[in-house]
Order: sequence, then structure tokens, then C-alpha cells
Amino acid sequence: GENVEQHPSTLSVQEGDSAVIKCTYSDSASNYFPWYKQELGKGPQLIIDIRSNVGEKKDQRIAVTLNKTAKHFSLHITETQPEDSAVYFCAASALNSGYSTLTFGKGTMLLVSP
Amino acid sequence: GAGVSQSPSNKVTEKGKDVELRCDPISGHTALYWYRQSLGQGLEFLIYFQGNSAPDKSGLPSDRFSAERTGGSVSTLTIQRTQQEDSAVYLCASSSKLGEGYNEQFFGPGTRLTVL
Repeated sequence: GENVEQHPSTLSVQEGDSAVIKCTYSDSASNYFPWYKQELGKGPQLIIDIRSNVGEKKDQRIAVTLNKTAKHFSLHITETQPEDSAVYFCAASALNSGYSTLTFGKGTMLLVSP
Repeated sequence: GAGVSQSPSNKVTEKGKDVELRCDPISGHTALYWYRQSLGQGLEFLIYFQGNSAPDKSGLPSDRFSAERTGGSVSTLTIQRTQQEDSAVYLCASSSKLGEGYNEQFFGPGTRLTVL
């Protein structure tokens, strides 16, 4: 089955700096890679996703890059703000299997200091 | 519209007791998932329901865990003879089918289970 590794487990940055979280996956059939943000006491919420037919996707301050050859993908947050502080999870799935059970990484706790 | 709701939000039980956790998915979503999130860990897949198909139970950790989905909507996760290691946040998610598969999963707020 799929195995997703996520690094780092914790990340502290100053407000305005950039933050990068990296994930690797093992199953070459995976073609859908979402990123979720989980705030304290809440369920995870999708912030951006990418499919294997593109190498990069951007949405305002958030971008995701995918390298299918190396089986890794990364989340980039620019101009970080204190409200970006949360736990971020990457995940991988093979959508063409008919359904998409996501395999999650263990999460990265991002702390943005004012 | 309403998102995924779960009840109770918190549950404290004694070791050996049975518990039931409820999930109300987004109306019209045919896929429903249960995950377990232990302290400092990622989300561990438990079980998946899709329409009228047989559920994918491959993630259930033991036969003490079971789940039902009645009428293609509400789901109940049951843990029998609870153990302290069952203490975790249990998350439910639902999704609709788009294109070649099921896409964004919408999560509920979770039920925090504490087994004393």
C-alpha cells in the first residue's frame, strides 16, 4: 500500500518568512495530492491540491509542486502570517482506482511568530 | 449549507464499555470515511462507504471496531470493549464523485474519545 512521509514535524518561522513542507510517497499509481490545514479543535480543511498532470499549482500565498519522477511534493507558503499557524497534512491517492482513500503524512506543526 | 457534523464532540468512557460515535455527512455525498487521529499522529484510515457498495473495512484495527451507514446517509462507528489505546480523535469525512473519482474530502470536527 501507499506510504507517505512528511517533514519536518515542526516548523517555526517569523511572520513574513516563507515556509516549506515536504512529502514523499511510495506508490507510483498515486495521482492526487491534497494538502489539509487543521486548526486546534477542528477537522482538517483542504487548502490546495494537485494532480499528476501538472507540476505546480498556486493559489495566492500558497503553492504546491510535484515531482513524479522522484515521488515527492511540497507545500510552499509565502509571506506567512500568524493565522497560518496550524498543523498541515499532506496526502496521496490514486483517483483512477474508482475511489480515493487518502493516505496521510503524520503532519507538520507550523508556528508563525509575530 | 451544513457541513459534516459529528456527535458527541467529547466522550469519556471506562475501559471495557462500548461506545457509539455518529457522523452526519454533507447531504448528497455518497462517500463517507472514518479516520482515527492519535496525539501527534497523522490520520489513520479506518473504513470507507461508497453508495450501495460493500464498505472497505481494511483499516479497522480489530474486530472490536465496526461501522454502519444507514440509508446511505448517517454513519455510526461502534467500538466494543474499549481499551485505553482506543483514546483518540475520531474524524468523519464525506465526498462526492466528480470526474474519474471522489475528490475533496470534507471533514467533521471530530469526536474526542477518552478511555479511562
